[in-house]
Amino acid sequence: GESVGLHLPTLSVQEGDNSIINCAYSNSASDYFIWYKQESGKGPQFIIDIRSNMDKRQGQRVTVLLNKTVKHLSLQIAATQPGDSAVYFCAENGAGFQKLVFGTGTRLLVSP
Amino acid sequence: NAGVTQTPKFRILKIGQSMTLQCAQDMNHNYMYWYRQDPGMGLKLIYYSVGAGITDKGEVPNGYNVSRSTTEDFPLRLELAAPSQTSVYFCASSYRQSGQETQYFGPGTRLLVL
Repeated sequence: GESVGLHLPTLSVQEGDNSIINCAYSNSASDYFIWYKQESGKGPQFIIDIRSNMDKRQGQRVTVLLNKTVKHLSLQIAATQPGDSAVYFCAENGAGFQKLVFGTGTRLLVSP
Repeated sequence: NAGVTQTPKFRILKIGQSMTLQCAQDMNHNYMYWYRQDPGMGLKLIYYSVGAGITDKGEVPNGYNVSRSTTEDFPLRLELAAPSQTSVYFCASSYRQSGQETQYFGPGTRLLVL
């Protein structure tokens, strides 16, 4: 079946560093991927998305990279700030589905 | 727009009790979803709806029911609460544009079954 998973459950970085959060997916038919940020006690918030016909997409301080060959997705956060501390989830929306499949999440801890 | 709203924010139930978790969105989204999130885990899809009058099961539907009589509302019903249903419940809504879909989440309902 389809699944989305993450390599690292917790990532600790210093303020100002660049952060990279990784995600593996198994459904090769997935054509759309999303990164969500979830702060403590809140619902997930959309960060950035990417379609399978792209390998890179940039937002404000964030970049998502997609490697379809190895079914790998990453989220890069530039100049990480304490406000970036949260749990980050990747999710995939398989072709033809209305359902997102979420990974288990990576906790990002940013130290001042 | 208020976005996606959920009530209540927190509830304690006794085993066997029933309750309805309310969800509403004012963005005119066709798609709505219910997820549960257990501590330290990702979200699991309970039920979803692609429009008023249409619902379908997700990954973990047992013990839950839903209805979608209007575009705006998507209540989740627990008929016989069990300790295994202790979790945080998130409602979400979305639209599809050019094959892309962004789900907007509510603030969640924390449920404790004792």
